[in-house]
Order: sequence, then structure tokens, then C-alpha cells
Amino acid sequence: GAVVSQHPSWVICKSGTSVKIECRSLDFQATTMFWYRQFPKQSLMLMATSNEGSKATYEQGVEKDKFLINHASLTLSTLTVTSAHPEDSSFYICSASLGGPGAGIGEQYFGPGTRLTVT
Amino acid sequence: AQKITQTQPGMFVQEKEAVTLDCTYDTSDPSYGLFWYKQPSSGEMIFLIYQGSYDQQNATEGRYSLNFQKARKSANLVISASQLGDSAMYFCAMRGYNFNKFYFGSGTKLNVKP
Repeated sequence: GAVVSQHPSWVICKSGTSVKIECRSLDFQATTMFWYRQFPKQSLMLMATSNEGSKATYEQGVEKDKFLINHASLTLSTLTVTSAHPEDSSFYICSASLGGPGAGIGEQYFGPGTRLTVT
Repeated sequence: AQKITQTQPGMFVQEKEAVTLDCTYDTSDPSYGLFWYKQPSSGEMIFLIYQGSYDQQNATEGRYSLNFQKARKSANLVISASQLGDSAMYFCAMRGYNFNKFYFGSGTKLNVKP
């Protein structure tokens, strides 16, 4: 089945530094990748949608200059949290999908998540 | 507007009993898919079951079945013969044909009692 990996699985960084999280589809080419953020005991909050070769579409309220998304290939998307602060501490999950707009209702395959702690 | 609603923040069920987790939705897209995911404490999202809006029959996957009532815009998950390992958060999600993203409900925390 379709497998999505995420790296790192957890990271601790100091306030003011930047952190990069990678999301890879291992055995399929992902037309679209999604980035979610999840706070404890809450639902997944969609941050942005990225399509290979084009700029990411950010959800309202998500700072695009703070959360940089690069979807360089059909198998790799990266999320960089720039100048991280303690309030950015969260669980970040990526998912990859075979479907795009109007392309049908495709399943999304989730990565295992990255737990970010900013001290 | 697209919206998913899960009204049960927490549920308890006795081991080996069946349990129904509620999900209602609203969408302007005539074609859409409904998904259920399980999230154990480890955090991974596990796909359970899918129902297409034009599917004539309710979806089933092993102990999971989806009670799809299109007119009522509900897509409840039924877990039969609950097991201790079913204790987790459960999320209902929707994706429209013309909307390139998924919408998630707030989740239901299921606790299976021995």
C-alpha cells in the first residue's frame, strides 16, 4: 500500500531557530501533499496544500512566511518552521494524495507525524 | 460551505459490544467522499473506511461499517465486537470532488472497557 514517511519523528529546538520537516511518498507519486497541525486533544488543522511545482495554498490565518512549504518533486514536500517560538510546539502531520482538483476523490495517506518542541 | 460535525467528544463501550460514532456533514459539492480515521496515542492516522456519495451500498471493512444516510447527511461509523485495541481518537473526514482538501471533524475519543 501507499506509504508516507516523515522525518524527523520528533525534534527539540531552541527559540529563534528554524526547523525543516520532510514528507516523502515512498512508493507512489503524490500529486498533492497536505500539511496539518494538531494540538493535544484537538483535531487536525489544515495548514496548507501543496502541489508539485507550484506555490502552496495556505489556509486562512497561517503565516506563509513563517511556515515555508516546498513541494520540489512528486515524492517530497518540506515544511520549514522559521524562527520557531514555543507556541509553535505542536504535532505536525503530512499527508499525500493521488488526486487533485476535479481529479476524483482520492485517498490521502498520512505520514507518522513530527512532534516539535520549541524551548 | 464544507463542514464536518462530530458531536460526541467521548464514548465508552464494553469490550465485545458494538458502538456507533456519529458524524454529520454539510457540503455544496454534489460528489464527495467520506472517510473515517483512527488515531491511537502514538499519533499516526490510520485509515479505516471510505464511502463515496454515489455508492449505493454502505461501506464495510471487517469490523467497521459505515451507516451512510445521504438525505440526513450523516455517515456514522459502526464498530462491531469492540476490542481493547480500539481505544483511540476517531476522526470523520470529507473530501469534495471539486475541493482539493479534506475537512475533519473534531473527533471522538473512544474508550473500550474490559
